[in-house]
Amino acid sequence: DGGITQSPKYLFRKEGQNVTLSCEQNLNHDAMYWYRQDPGQGLRLIYYSQIVNDFQKGDIAEGYSVSREKKESFPLTVTSAQKNPTAFYLCASSIVTIRPQHFGDGTRLSIL
Amino acid sequence: EDKVVQSPLSLVVHEGDTVTLNCSYEVTNFRSLLWYKQEKKAPTFLFMLTSSGIEKKSGRLSSILDKKELFSILNITATQTGDSAVYLCAVNQFYFGTGTSLTVIP
Repeated sequence: DGGITQSPKYLFRKEGQNVTLSCEQNLNHDAMYWYRQDPGQGLRLIYYSQIVNDFQKGDIAEGYSVSREKKESFPLTVTSAQKNPTAFYLCASSIVTIRPQHFGDGTRLSIL
Repeated sequence: EDKVVQSPLSLVVHEGDTVTLNCSYEVTNFRSLLWYKQEKKAPTFLFMLTSSGIEKKSGRLSSILDKKELFSILNITATQTGDSAVYLCAVNQFYFGTGTSLTVIP
């Protein structure tokens, strides 16, 4: 079955540590996205990529980095510069950016 | 600044009731408005609206867009406990509202 796989489901980070969240899709979609969801808030866009080797910042990109070396994969690194990283992170993909998105099951990141 | 506002923030109804969820927006260069349902983790796509006044329907769910007044509504008739979820509205793909949390009581 085609879909989006995010791993791990839960992740703990120590202060000053970088962590990488994995997102893989086998839907053959060109566009991929990372969102952050906090309690009582909607999804906020961190980064998106329309094609391999290209990505754009969203509204809250500070403290995060991404890469898009393969069509199937769009990992998100939460760096130590992100001062409040505790949140639920959702990855999504779509055929192209104007089409509806398919979402993964998310990664919940917490600070130790 | 682009803005999407959903109301109400939460709603509790009994099975069989009809509910209307609202989404208003202020964005530059409107292209589309999408509705998603988020039950536990992954939001799932419901409707995409691009033209004003054309209703999209799927079973007991329907949605319509008013581009002049800058809002959309999502209607759910004869609600069931399985409709309990957070309903998210997104404009131009990236701009999401805070969502409406719907709880349907048996």
